[in-house]
Amino acid sequence: NAGVTQTPKFQVLKTGQSMTLQCAQDMNHEYMSWYRQDPGMGLRLIHYSVGAGITDQGEVPNGYNVSRSTTEDFPLRLLSAAPSQTSVYFCASSYLTQHSGGYGYTFGSGTRLTVV
Amino acid sequence: SQKIEQNSEALNIQEGKTATLTCNYTNYSPAYLQWYRQDPGRGPVFLLLIRENEKEKRKERLKVTFDTTLKQSLFHITASQPADSATYLCALGERGSTLGRLYFGRGTQLTVWP
Repeated sequence: NAGVTQTPKFQVLKTGQSMTLQCAQDMNHEYMSWYRQDPGMGLRLIHYSVGAGITDQGEVPNGYNVSRSTTEDFPLRLLSAAPSQTSVYFCASSYLTQHSGGYGYTFGSGTRLTVV
Repeated sequence: SQKIEQNSEALNIQEGKTATLTCNYTNYSPAYLQWYRQDPGRGPVFLLLIRENEKEKRKERLKVTFDTTLKQSLFHITASQPADSATYLCALGERGSTLGRLYFGRGTQLTVWP
């Protein structure tokens, strides 16, 4: 099925552990991004990419790394997990806007991460 | 500072009525605005997009308006049904910003009761 696939769906980490959240899309979208969603805070952008080999920081990048070696994959790495990183993480992708048109995002189903 | 504000965190209406959700923005110059639906435990789902030069867009029971003078978008669901109960997010793409980047509001939780 076409769409954005995130793994794992749930994860519990101990403080200081590292892990990688996986995101893959099969729609040939140029733009991919990672958000975290916390109660009362809405969606906050962590990192984004406009194409393979190109990444940039969003609003809350500290403690996270990304890379984009292929169009399809955009993994998010937590370097040393902290309780403040407990959240729901969403990956999203879309075509790049060429003019002022805009395209809707396709979101993954999310990863619920708890750091203890 | 830049803000995207959606009206009251929760909106409760009776089935069959029209739900109207508001999205106001400050210190943005949006090229377009989008609306998403999010169900509990799921990712947001794209519903509608409206561009800065458009006043109104419709899709089935959904209608979106965009007033760049008032800096506001209204999202209407007519003949609402209990199945419309969800959180609705507005998001805007800013002119001159990174292509594809969206800025999201915090959402309005809509409950439609029978």
